[in-house]
Amino acid sequence: EVQLVESGGGLVQPGRSLRLSCSASGFTFGDYAMTWVRQAPGKGLEWVGLIRSKAYSGTTEYAASVQGRFTISRDDSKSIAYLQMDSLKTEDTAVYYCTRDAATTEDFDYWGQGTLVTVSS
Amino acid sequence: QTVVTQEPSLTVSPGGTVTLTCASSTGAVTSGYYPSWFQQKPGQTPRALIYATSNKHSWTPARFSGSLLGGKAALTLSGVQPEDEADYYCLLYFGGAQPWVFGGGTKLTVL
Repeated sequence: EVQLVESGGGLVQPGRSLRLSCSASGFTFGDYAMTWVRQAPGKGLEWVGLIRSKAYSGTTEYAASVQGRFTISRDDSKSIAYLQMDSLKTEDTAVYYCTRDAATTEDFDYWGQGTLVTVSS
Repeated sequence: QTVVTQEPSLTVSPGGTVTLTCASSTGAVTSGYYPSWFQQKPGQTPRALIYATSNKHSWTPARFSGSLLGGKAALTLSGVQPEDEADYYCLLYFGGAQPWVFGGGTKLTVL
Protein backbone atom coordinates (compact mmCIF):
# COMPACT_ATOMS: atom_id res chain seq x y z
CA GLU A 1 0.00 0.00 0.00
CA VAL A 2 1.35 3.38 -1.00
CA GLN A 3 1.69 5.75 1.94
CA LEU A 4 3.03 9.26 2.28
CA VAL A 5 3.35 10.72 5.76
CA GLU A 6 4.32 14.34 6.38
CA SER A 7 5.81 15.51 9.65
CA GLY A 8 7.62 18.46 11.13
CA GLY A 9 4.90 21.07 11.12
CA GLY A 10 4.20 23.41 13.99
CA LEU A 11 4.22 26.98 15.20
CA VAL A 12 7.21 29.09 14.20
CA GLN A 13 8.03 32.78 14.40
CA PRO A 14 8.44 34.90 11.27
CA GLY A 15 11.98 34.82 9.96
CA ARG A 16 12.73 31.44 11.48
CA SER A 17 13.21 28.06 9.77
CA LEU A 18 11.42 24.74 9.74
CA ARG A 19 12.06 21.44 7.98
CA LEU A 20 9.24 19.18 6.88
CA SER A 21 9.66 15.50 6.07
CA CYS A 22 7.65 13.24 3.80
CA SER A 23 8.17 9.57 4.57
CA ALA A 24 7.18 7.19 1.81
CA SER A 25 6.42 3.50 1.74
CA GLY A 26 4.79 0.93 -0.51
CA PHE A 27 6.57 1.91 -3.72
CA THR A 28 10.05 2.41 -5.17
CA PHE A 29 10.65 5.92 -3.91
CA GLY A 30 13.64 6.59 -6.15
CA ASP A 31 11.55 6.14 -9.28
CA TYR A 32 9.31 9.13 -8.54
CA ALA A 33 9.52 12.87 -8.45
CA MET A 34 8.20 14.30 -5.20
CA THR A 35 6.13 17.44 -5.07
CA TRP A 36 5.07 19.73 -2.24
CA VAL A 37 1.70 21.47 -2.33
CA ARG A 38 0.29 23.83 0.29
CA GLN A 39 -3.10 25.15 1.24
CA ALA A 40 -3.54 28.27 3.33
CA PRO A 41 -6.53 28.26 5.69
CA GLY A 42 -9.73 28.57 3.68
CA LYS A 43 -7.83 28.94 0.41
CA GLY A 44 -7.05 26.83 -2.63
CA LEU A 45 -4.15 24.56 -3.45
CA GLU A 46 -0.79 26.09 -4.33
CA TRP A 47 2.03 24.17 -6.02
CA VAL A 48 5.21 24.80 -3.98
CA GLY A 49 7.95 22.83 -5.66
CA LEU A 50 9.31 19.49 -6.76
CA ILE A 51 12.40 17.34 -6.84
CA ARG A 52 12.86 14.99 -9.74
CA SER A 53 14.12 11.47 -9.47
CA LYS A 54 17.81 10.68 -9.96
CA ALA A 55 16.92 9.38 -13.41
CA TYR A 56 15.98 12.96 -14.24
CA SER A 57 19.03 14.39 -12.49
CA GLY A 58 17.27 15.05 -9.19
CA THR A 59 16.75 18.69 -10.14
CA THR A 60 14.38 20.99 -8.30
CA GLU A 61 11.87 23.66 -9.27
CA TYR A 62 10.04 26.13 -7.05
CA ALA A 63 7.10 28.46 -7.12
CA ALA A 64 8.06 32.12 -7.37
CA SER A 65 6.53 32.73 -3.94
CA VAL A 66 9.08 30.48 -2.23
CA GLN A 67 12.06 30.64 -4.58
CA GLY A 68 15.25 31.38 -2.66
CA ARG A 69 13.66 30.60 0.73
CA PHE A 70 12.57 26.96 0.38
CA THR A 71 14.75 24.00 -0.55
CA ILE A 72 13.59 20.51 -1.45
CA SER A 73 15.87 17.52 -1.06
CA ARG A 74 15.53 13.76 -0.94
CA ASP A 75 17.18 10.75 0.61
CA ASP A 76 16.34 7.76 -1.54
CA SER A 77 18.02 5.37 0.90
CA LYS A 78 15.49 6.38 3.54
CA SER A 79 12.54 7.05 1.18
CA ILE A 80 12.15 10.56 2.55
CA ALA A 81 11.66 13.91 0.87
CA TYR A 82 12.36 17.13 2.74
CA LEU A 83 11.13 20.68 2.51
CA GLN A 84 13.52 23.12 4.20
CA MET A 85 11.72 26.40 4.80
CA ASP A 86 13.83 29.44 5.72
CA SER A 87 12.96 33.08 6.29
CA LEU A 88 9.37 32.11 6.94
CA LYS A 89 6.63 34.66 6.49
CA THR A 90 3.14 34.80 7.94
CA GLU A 91 1.78 34.10 4.45
CA ASP A 92 3.53 30.71 4.50
CA THR A 93 0.96 29.53 7.05
CA ALA A 94 -0.70 26.53 5.44
CA VAL A 95 -1.18 22.80 5.45
CA TYR A 96 1.69 21.30 3.49
CA TYR A 97 1.11 18.13 1.48
CA CYS A 98 3.58 15.91 -0.32
CA THR A 99 2.58 13.92 -3.38
CA ARG A 100 4.40 11.65 -5.78
CA ASP A 101 4.63 12.06 -9.52
CA ALA A 102 5.65 9.45 -12.04
CA ALA A 103 7.41 11.51 -14.70
CA THR A 104 6.18 9.24 -17.45
CA THR A 105 2.53 9.91 -16.66
CA GLU A 106 2.55 13.29 -14.86
CA ASP A 107 0.15 11.76 -12.39
CA PHE A 108 -0.04 13.00 -8.80
CA ASP A 109 -1.90 9.97 -7.60
CA TYR A 110 -1.10 9.61 -3.90
CA TRP A 111 -1.01 12.38 -1.31
CA GLY A 112 -0.04 12.53 2.33
CA GLN A 113 -2.44 13.71 5.01
CA GLY A 114 -0.64 17.04 5.35
CA THR A 115 1.12 18.86 8.14
CA LEU A 116 0.14 22.30 9.43
CA VAL A 117 2.70 25.08 9.54
CA THR A 118 1.72 28.23 11.42
CA VAL A 119 3.97 31.25 11.12
CA SER A 120 3.13 33.75 13.81
CA SER A 121 4.78 35.86 16.47
CA GLN B 1 2.64 35.29 -13.84
CA THR B 2 0.67 32.40 -15.30
CA VAL B 3 -2.92 32.20 -14.11
CA VAL B 4 -5.19 29.17 -14.28
CA THR B 5 -8.89 30.03 -14.06
CA GLN B 6 -11.80 27.88 -12.92
CA GLU B 7 -15.43 28.73 -12.23
CA PRO B 8 -15.57 29.81 -8.57
CA SER B 9 -18.80 27.92 -7.96
CA LEU B 10 -21.35 25.77 -9.73
CA THR B 11 -24.62 24.21 -8.64
CA VAL B 12 -26.11 21.03 -10.04
CA SER B 13 -29.15 18.92 -9.21
CA PRO B 14 -28.76 15.28 -8.18
CA GLY B 15 -28.69 13.09 -11.27
CA GLY B 16 -27.76 16.00 -13.47
CA THR B 17 -24.68 16.70 -15.54
CA VAL B 18 -22.17 19.48 -14.98
CA THR B 19 -18.93 20.51 -16.67
CA LEU B 20 -16.14 22.29 -14.86
CA THR B 21 -13.52 24.06 -16.94
CA CYS B 22 -9.89 25.06 -16.54
CA ALA B 23 -8.41 27.87 -18.61
CA SER B 24 -4.86 29.16 -19.00
CA SER B 25 -3.85 32.81 -19.27
CA THR B 26 -1.26 31.74 -21.86
CA GLY B 27 -3.84 30.53 -24.36
CA ALA B 28 -5.58 27.32 -25.32
CA VAL B 29 -5.05 24.31 -23.09
CA THR B 30 -3.80 21.27 -24.98
CA SER B 31 -2.83 17.75 -23.98
CA GLY B 32 0.72 19.04 -23.55
CA TYR B 33 -0.45 20.81 -20.40
CA TYR B 34 -1.19 17.39 -18.86
CA PRO B 35 -4.40 18.58 -17.17
CA SER B 36 -5.13 16.90 -13.85
CA TRP B 37 -8.21 17.13 -11.68
CA PHE B 38 -8.49 16.73 -7.91
CA GLN B 39 -11.44 16.53 -5.56
CA GLN B 40 -11.28 17.84 -2.02
CA LYS B 41 -14.01 17.52 0.56
CA PRO B 42 -14.00 19.62 3.74
CA GLY B 43 -11.28 18.55 6.15
CA GLN B 44 -9.89 15.96 3.75
CA THR B 45 -6.79 15.52 1.66
CA PRO B 46 -7.10 16.19 -2.08
CA ARG B 47 -7.91 13.09 -4.08
CA ALA B 48 -6.69 12.60 -7.62
CA LEU B 49 -9.45 11.97 -10.15
CA ILE B 50 -8.05 12.52 -13.64
CA TYR B 51 -4.53 12.85 -15.08
CA ALA B 52 -3.11 13.66 -18.50
CA THR B 53 -6.41 15.12 -19.72
CA SER B 54 -8.66 12.06 -19.55
CA ASN B 55 -7.01 9.18 -17.73
CA LYS B 56 -8.80 7.86 -14.66
CA HIS B 57 -7.44 6.24 -11.56
CA SER B 58 -8.73 2.89 -10.39
CA TRP B 59 -10.77 4.67 -7.73
CA THR B 60 -12.29 7.31 -10.00
CA PRO B 61 -16.04 6.79 -10.38
CA ALA B 62 -17.16 6.17 -13.96
CA ARG B 63 -19.38 9.27 -13.87
CA PHE B 64 -16.26 11.49 -13.91
CA SER B 65 -14.60 12.18 -17.24
CA GLY B 66 -11.89 14.54 -18.45
CA SER B 67 -11.52 16.19 -21.84
CA LEU B 68 -10.46 19.28 -23.76
CA LEU B 69 -13.30 21.61 -24.61
CA GLY B 70 -13.15 24.91 -26.45
CA GLY B 71 -9.50 25.56 -25.57
CA LYS B 72 -9.92 24.56 -21.95
CA ALA B 73 -9.51 21.42 -19.90
CA ALA B 74 -12.85 20.09 -18.72
CA LEU B 75 -14.15 17.76 -16.03
CA THR B 76 -17.64 16.43 -16.64
CA LEU B 77 -19.76 14.74 -13.99
CA SER B 78 -22.67 12.77 -15.40
CA GLY B 79 -25.37 11.55 -13.04
CA VAL B 80 -24.17 13.66 -10.14
CA GLN B 81 -24.47 12.17 -6.67
CA PRO B 82 -24.84 14.08 -3.39
CA GLU B 83 -21.40 12.87 -2.35
CA ASP B 84 -19.87 14.72 -5.30
CA GLU B 85 -20.35 18.00 -3.45
CA ALA B 86 -16.78 19.20 -2.99
CA ASP B 87 -14.09 21.56 -4.19
CA TYR B 88 -12.45 20.63 -7.49
CA TYR B 89 -9.02 21.79 -8.58
CA CYS B 90 -7.29 21.53 -11.91
CA LEU B 91 -3.53 21.48 -12.35
CA LEU B 92 -1.69 22.40 -15.54
CA TYR B 93 1.90 21.89 -16.67
CA PHE B 94 3.74 24.88 -18.15
CA GLY B 95 7.33 23.68 -18.03
CA GLY B 96 10.12 26.06 -17.26
CA ALA B 97 11.08 27.28 -13.82
CA GLN B 98 7.60 26.98 -12.31
CA PRO B 99 6.24 24.00 -14.18
CA TRP B 100 2.92 23.41 -12.41
CA VAL B 101 0.08 25.78 -11.54
CA PHE B 102 -3.21 25.01 -9.81
CA GLY B 103 -6.46 26.64 -10.70
CA GLY B 104 -8.31 28.54 -8.01
CA GLY B 105 -10.82 25.74 -7.55
CA THR B 106 -14.52 25.27 -8.19
CA LYS B 107 -16.93 24.75 -5.32
CA LEU B 108 -19.55 22.32 -6.57
CA THR B 109 -22.87 22.31 -4.76
CA VAL B 110 -25.33 19.48 -5.30
CA LEU B 111 -28.80 20.83 -4.60
